[in-house]
Amino acid sequence: DIVLTQAPLSVSVTPGESASISCRSSKSLLSSKGITSLYWYLQKPGKSPQLLIYRMSNLASGVPDRFSGSGSETDFTLKISKVETEDVGVYYCAQFLEYPFTFGSGTKLEIK
Amino acid sequence: EVQLVESGGGLVQPGASLKLSCVASGFTFSDYWMSWVRQTPGKTMEWIGDIKYDGSYTNYAPSLKNRFTISRDNAKSTLYLQMSNVRSEDTATYYCTRGLPGVYWGQGVMVTVSS
Repeated sequence: DIVLTQAPLSVSVTPGESASISCRSSKSLLSSKGITSLYWYLQKPGKSPQLLIYRMSNLASGVPDRFSGSGSETDFTLKISKVETEDVGVYYCAQFLEYPFTFGSGTKLEIK
Repeated sequence: EVQLVESGGGLVQPGASLKLSCVASGFTFSDYWMSWVRQTPGKTMEWIGDIKYDGSYTNYAPSLKNRFTISRDNAKSTLYLQMSNVRSEDTATYYCTRGLPGVYWGQGVMVTVSS
């Protein structure tokens, strides 16, 4: 199985500052079609997960452009610029390159 | 509006069986693969499996393959998860999603396995 390792476990951010979350894959997530199948989600307290980024760097519909995704074949970063209080929750990365699909362990973002 | 509504959860004893349902609306159910994902009380997310739009093919997490079965009834726009011989570690919130876990998730249904 592909293992996704997220860091840090938690991050505390002052509103208006930036935050970065790392996700490292045990295997390249670049497909033969040139697509990197790494996704990012935010789960706000008491809610279902919501998609933020698909295929490593594509912003999902309705997601503020304060969120951005980048990376290589195995190392990925979610950046949140100008963090707002509504960004609180747990962030997950996930891979859909090959079965079984897998998720990272999550990074909790808190506001200072 | 796309809606996914899970049901069938609750308290169940170890070794018992349970069937979860997910009723879909707002889209043509028979056009989409569907998935199940669960989240443990410790917030670990685990992909359970998925099913092809016509129900002819399924994929499962290897650790769950022998106990969990995904099926669908396209006439009823309903996705199912049959859980058998449940264990305490199956205690989780279960979500159905449209396609790859992407934009559309249900609200989740809680399953607690305890004697």
